[in-house]
Amino acid sequence: AQTVTQSQPEMSVQEAETVTLSCTYDTSESDYYLFWYKQPPSRQMILVIRQEAYKQQNATENRFSVNFQKAAKSFSLKISDSQLGDAAMYFCAYRSTIIQGAQKLVFGQGTRLTINP
Amino acid sequence: GAGVSQSPSNKVTEKGKDVELRCDPISGHTALYWYRQSLGQGLEFLIYFQGNSAPDKSGLPSDRFSAERTGGSVSTLTIQRTQQEDSAVYLCASSRDSMNTEAFFGQGTRLTVV
Repeated sequence: AQTVTQSQPEMSVQEAETVTLSCTYDTSESDYYLFWYKQPPSRQMILVIRQEAYKQQNATENRFSVNFQKAAKSFSLKISDSQLGDAAMYFCAYRSTIIQGAQKLVFGQGTRLTINP
Repeated sequence: GAGVSQSPSNKVTEKGKDVELRCDPISGHTALYWYRQSLGQGLEFLIYFQGNSAPDKSGLPSDRFSAERTGGSVSTLTIQRTQQEDSAVYLCASSRDSMNTEAFFGQGTRLTVV
């Protein structure tokens, strides 16, 4: 079974600075998807960024980018120019590409990000 | 609808009572998921529905938990004889189909068993 580990329960950063959230995962599959989700106090999970494992190029969405190291099974999220609205819980998640019975997302434990003004 | 809608937003129930949680997915989405998020934890998969196929119930923690999806749209998660350890946020998500990787989440139901 796949597992996802986020080793940083809490992180904080000064507004406008850059912060990196860590995520490692374990799988025997060669093709899969990785995600970062943001969960503000409203509880609704919001997709931040997605990476397909077969793509070597790191995904980027505006101020959010990832460092995907497939051999190391590492998938970190970098947030540049941090803004107060970035404060939330961030979850790393894994999804298999196997069609049968593996559509679920496997989540890490989350990292609570605080932005200091 | 515009997004995934869950009701109620909050539910307090007495230990031993049954509860029903509702999820209304985005119109046209054939895949629907239920997850449980215990305090300070990540999300734990419970059950997955895809169209008319048999649901994947592999994440249901006990036989007190069941779910159904009527007409391929609205889903109800039922917890019988609730226990204090059932207290959690229950999140529902939907996606266009099983191959579409973007899942859209509702705001969840916070269940408190007293």
